[in-house]
Amino acid sequence: EAQVTQNPRYLITVTGKKLTVTCSQNMNHEYMSWYRQDPGLGLRQIYYSMNVEVTDKGDVPEGYKVSRKEKRNFPLILESPSPNQTSLYFCASSLTSGSRMETQYFGPGTRLLVL
Amino acid sequence: GENVEQHPSTLSVQEGDSAVIKCTYSDSASNYFPWYKQELGKGPQLIIDIRSNVGEKKDQRIAVTLNKTAKHFSLHITETQPEDSAVYFCAASRGDNFNKFYFGSGTKLNVKP
Repeated sequence: EAQVTQNPRYLITVTGKKLTVTCSQNMNHEYMSWYRQDPGLGLRQIYYSMNVEVTDKGDVPEGYKVSRKEKRNFPLILESPSPNQTSLYFCASSLTSGSRMETQYFGPGTRLLVL
Repeated sequence: GENVEQHPSTLSVQEGDSAVIKCTYSDSASNYFPWYKQELGKGPQLIIDIRSNVGEKKDQRIAVTLNKTAKHFSLHITETQPEDSAVYFCAASRGDNFNKFYFGSGTKLNVKP
């Protein structure tokens, strides 16, 4: 089954304790992206990756890091989480055809609470 | 950067009626406009998209229209059903930097049986 998986689905942590949220897709997609969703703000893009070893900042990258060492995985790293990073996080992936974006598939989400 | 505004924030319709959600964008270089449906506890799912070389696109009960001059695009759902109840998001992306996406704030649609 074609899918985007995220782990963990729920996480409670404390300020300053490094954490990683994993994202994996089995569709051989080049493009992967991370978003955060907050009430009344919709989804905001954190980072995206066009392919292995190619990453770039989205609209709200502060406090986050990413890496793309393999095509299928795109982990989101919070080196020193703060309470304002409490949010619902989504990973997404998509095929690209040159400059043309195809359907973006979203994972089920990771709900993070930073105390 | 791009700014996408979406209205209304909530919409309640009777089953069988039509629903319209509108979005405006600020960057005239944006050329890809997808719409997503998000059900409770799930990730967004693409329901329809439109590119700037097209003015309208239909898929069964769903249609999207794009007015590039006015920089707005709309989602139209006809013959609404209770299973259409969800949160809907519009988004915009540029061709020369297409990999960045900007989302609207969402519309919660409630279809009353």
